[in-house]
Amino acid sequence: EAQVTQNPRYLITVTGKKLTVTCSQNMNHEYMSWYRQDPGLGLRQIYYSMNVEVTDKGDVPEGYKVSRKEKRNFPLILESPSPNQTSLYFCASSLTGKRYNSPLHFGNGTRLTVT
Amino acid sequence: DAKTTQPPSMDCAEGRAANLPCNHSTISGNEYVYWYRQIHSQGPQYIIHGLKNNETNEMASLIITEDRKSSTLILPHATLRDTAVYYCIATGNQFYFGTGTSLTVIP
Repeated sequence: EAQVTQNPRYLITVTGKKLTVTCSQNMNHEYMSWYRQDPGLGLRQIYYSMNVEVTDKGDVPEGYKVSRKEKRNFPLILESPSPNQTSLYFCASSLTGKRYNSPLHFGNGTRLTVT
Repeated sequence: DAKTTQPPSMDCAEGRAANLPCNHSTISGNEYVYWYRQIHSQGPQYIIHGLKNNETNEMASLIITEDRKSSTLILPHATLRDTAVYYCIATGNQFYFGTGTSLTVIP
């Protein structure tokens, strides 16, 4: 089944303890992206990647890192999490970064709580 | 990418058509209109997209005005499972989701 898989679904951690949220897609998509969703603010893009070894900042990149060493994986890294990074996170992918016929496919989300 | 404006909430009776409007008056010629929906806290689900022609698929219809400054998503026979937040996005590159329209289908 074609899908975007995020892990874990739920994560509770403490301030300053490095964590990684994994994202994998099995559709051979070039484009991948991370969003966070907070009440009243909609989905905001953190980072995106147009292809392997190419990553760019989105609207809210502070405090996050990403890497794209392989086409299928796009992990989100929080080197030193803080409580303001408590949020619902979504990974998404699409065939290309061009929008003529390339909808985003989303994972099921990771709910992160930083205490 | 063009800014979009949607009403914050709408109600629709079950079995009736739900018509969700979206204004994108600053859309440029190469930007597409995409619609997504999000049920509770699940990942957003793609519904439909178009450039300038009207589009229809098994989920919905998309009507884009001739000047492309606005569009309407039509769910022809709304069910309770269509209760969700619906996002309209005008984009040639990145997706900016905004806060969408919260649609409630009423029994």
